Amino acid sequence: EVQLVESGGGLVKPGGSLRLSCAASGFTFSSYSMNWVRQAPGKGLEWVSSISSSSSYIYYADSVKGRFTISRDNAKNSLYLQMNSLRAEDTAVYYCARDLYCGGDCTSPFDYWGQGTLVTVSS
Amino acid sequence: EIVMTQSPATLSVSPGERATLSCRASQSVSSNLAWYQQKPGQAPRLLIYGASTRATGIPARFSGSGSGTEFTLTISSLQSEDFAVYYCQQYNNWPLFGQGTKVEIK
Repeated sequence: EVQLVESGGGLVKPGGSLRLSCAASGFTFSSYSMNWVRQAPGKGLEWVSSISSSSSYIYYADSVKGRFTISRDNAKNSLYLQMNSLRAEDTAVYYCARDLYCGGDCTSPFDYWGQGTLVTVSS
Repeated sequence: EIVMTQSPATLSVSPGERATLSCRASQSVSSNLAWYQQKPGQAPRLLIYGASTRATGIPARFSGSGSGTEFTLTISSLQSEDFAVYYCQQYNNWPLFGQGTKVEIK
């Protein structure tokens, strides 16, 4: 059974940093591109970042470029999101999500999602 | 920059009735269009990809159509568990979601 479990969310002050993790199981993690998607309270879904299976291709939404860094450790079946210079508008539930069929420089819908971890940026 | 517009924002439907949701892209996304269902407190669930292919385990009452810039998600006979928010997503380039359509009980 495919499982994605996020952790690392919490309350942080504006300008602070946080590192999110996503532990994957039930599939060959190293074969799939992975993503972070966020959802502000009461709002819609916003794609944040994608990383290919071997980390060769990395993409960011303009809203987080230069502040967030996506990475993965295929040996540990884990995905990460380092978030720096956090702003109030980064407050959201952050989901990790698996690409349905893309492992490289391509795009794909997302077939499995974690339960999400809440990040609150507030003084 | 592509803009995804879903309509209506809210759709009131009685159980057993048909629901038709629309998604429009500001420029062609070919058939690189997916639909997701999200219930309160839950992660989104992939329903349709490639504009018309049902994802694994999705009931046949869900169907998708369209290509280019105009897409439709149809739920043929609404069940109680179908009342939720539905998002379209284009993945022709950077993933981009529509703002969602809430399907509520009439």
